[in-house]
Amino acid sequence: GAVVSQHPSWVICKSGTSVKIECRSLDFQATTMFWYRQFPKQSLMLMATSNEGSKATYEQGVEKDKFLINHASLTLSTLTVTSAHPEDSSFYICSARPLGGISGGHQETQYFGPGTRLLVL
Amino acid sequence: SQQGEEDPQALSIQEGENATMNCSYKTSINNLQWYRQNSGRGLVHLILIRSNEREKHSGRLRVTLDTSKKSSSLLITASRAADTASYFCATDRDNYGQNFVFGPGTRLSVLP
Repeated sequence: GAVVSQHPSWVICKSGTSVKIECRSLDFQATTMFWYRQFPKQSLMLMATSNEGSKATYEQGVEKDKFLINHASLTLSTLTVTSAHPEDSSFYICSARPLGGISGGHQETQYFGPGTRLLVL
Repeated sequence: SQQGEEDPQALSIQEGENATMNCSYKTSINNLQWYRQNSGRGLVHLILIRSNEREKHSGRLRVTLDTSKKSSSLLITASRAADTASYFCATDRDNYGQNFVFGPGTRLSVLP
């Protein structure tokens, strides 16, 4: 249980285009999902917290008009990188916190997707 | 400033040896969690220890928490090549345990 998927796993795009990344909780509902960015050999940096049915909360320094987040249902959040540039190339990871917890797990645990590698040419 | 900081940043051991990684944090926490990340993949939850707990075990994993020193350690016993990964500690940032702050991680290499 507690599986989170991301799509696509890999994307290459030209500079100036927009890219949408989907994050789905497959076997649980999540009122809260998180989007992280990770550079090579570095830790995860929280970009934003996505709450179902409301506006996302962005971390300081993250442009909300650049990284559009939509959390339209309890199992899906999307991150759209608008007008992507080479400096946006990175590994993007989402996580989800189960509504009410997972049997055998902890309510505080976040379950992570496999990540999406974005390369902007 | 960064909440969780792991030490060492990189660790290389032989299969069968034990691996110990440490994590220090700065502010009070409700719980601390350890995650593993294989290269280029997402994170896998390993273990959660609450602020009122001192030690927890899960299989070959042993986690300790010292709230007076604001530190935690992760011990992997009888390591295997498959344990090669990066290990991160994560502390909750607010009273509702919503937002994690991840440390820089320890890159563990277990040599066969």
